[in-house]
Formats: sequence, C-alpha cells, structure tokens
Amino acid sequence: DVKVTQSSRYLVKRTGEKVFLECVQDMDHENMFWYRQDPGLGLRLIYFSYDVKMKEKGDIPEGYSVSREKKERFSLILESASTNQTSMYLCASSERGRAYEQYFGPGTRLTVT
Amino acid sequence: GEDVEQSLFLSVREGDSSVINCTYTDSSSTYLYWYKQEPGAGLQLLTYIFSNMDMKQDQRLTVLLNKKDKHLSLRIADTQTGDSAIYFCAETDQAGTALIFGKGTTLSVSS
Repeated sequence: DVKVTQSSRYLVKRTGEKVFLECVQDMDHENMFWYRQDPGLGLRLIYFSYDVKMKEKGDIPEGYSVSREKKERFSLILESASTNQTSMYLCASSERGRAYEQYFGPGTRLTVT
Repeated sequence: GEDVEQSLFLSVREGDSSVINCTYTDSSSTYLYWYKQEPGAGLQLLTYIFSNMDMKQDQRLTVLLNKKDKHLSLRIADTQTGDSAIYFCAETDQAGTALIFGKGTTLSVSS
C-alpha cells in the first residue's frame, strides 16, 4: 500500500513565524504535490515537483516555497506565516506519467494566530 | 482557463441513489476522475473514466460522461451512511502534469 505521511496533523503558529510542513512517501514516486483545502474553495495547487530538486508553481504559490532534496520527501515552507495561511494542507504523490492517480496524506491543519 | 464546477451539497436518505454532477471546461482531458474524502482523511481516487467512454460501472458506482456538454456525473446506488464524504471531480491540466479539482460536493446520508 502506498503511504504518504505528513509530519503533523495539527499545528498552531504565530504570525511571522517560519513554518515547515513535511511530507514523506514510501513508494518511490517521482511526482509530489502540495495543496491547500479551504471550505467553499476546494483544493488549490500550491507547488508540485516531478523530480528531486525540481519544482513547479501551482495556482497559488505566493507566500510559499518548497524543497525536494530527496525523492521521498517534499517540504512546504511558509517563510513568514500570516493569518490568511490558516488552512488544511494536503500532500500527494504519484508515479511519473500518472499525475491523475495521486495518493494523499491525511493533511495538516495549520492555524496561524 | 481550465475550471471544474460542482454543486456544494447533496443530502439523501439511506438506500436512495445519489447523483453528484460536475461540469468541466477542458475538452482535451483524456481522463476525468472522482476522488472521495472521508472525514479527517486525505483524498483517495474513487474511479475514473476515459474520455472516449460514455459510461463506466463499478459495483454501486456509475460514472456518466457527456462530452458534448462537458458534463460528468457520479451515481451511487443504495447509498449508505458510510458514503457520507466530500466527492471531488477532477480533470488533468493541459500539460497533463497536475489535476484540477472542483470545489467538492459534501454528501450527507441520513438513516
């Protein structure tokens, strides 16, 4: 079974803090994705990566950066957290060429106060 | 740009059929997908349909595709309380590298 794990289920941070969200997958997938999920807005793609050290901006990259130093790990970084980044963050992975069949982690609910 | 639209809520009684509808804009999508998100969990791929098909059936699930109207639907027969979840319609982006999700339909099943 594919397993995608995220470092925290719940996280509370203060405005201006630097925040790291970690995602690890154990199926040797090339593609990894970060989304945020907000009520009434669905899932919006922040960044994705199709290989180590490669990254592509999604629909809403502003205020975020990512890091992919190892194939299994994809990190989302909030350089200076703001209250409008309070959201559910979902990580996903997929095989190369199968971006449609994404396997999702359980999500991290981030609250920025 | 690419867009996927679906209604936000659907409420049915246990044992009834549920029909969740979706419209999409990118006619070049090769596949269209339905993902399910149970409470407190991530999304999981439920089913998909190839664009040259009109219908796909998988046990209690039936997917109907109307390419002319760019309309996709998911029918769940004999809906159970365990089917309560958010259902997302999705298509691949034009580059085929990522998915574009609808806003999700929350299905509520009452006994």
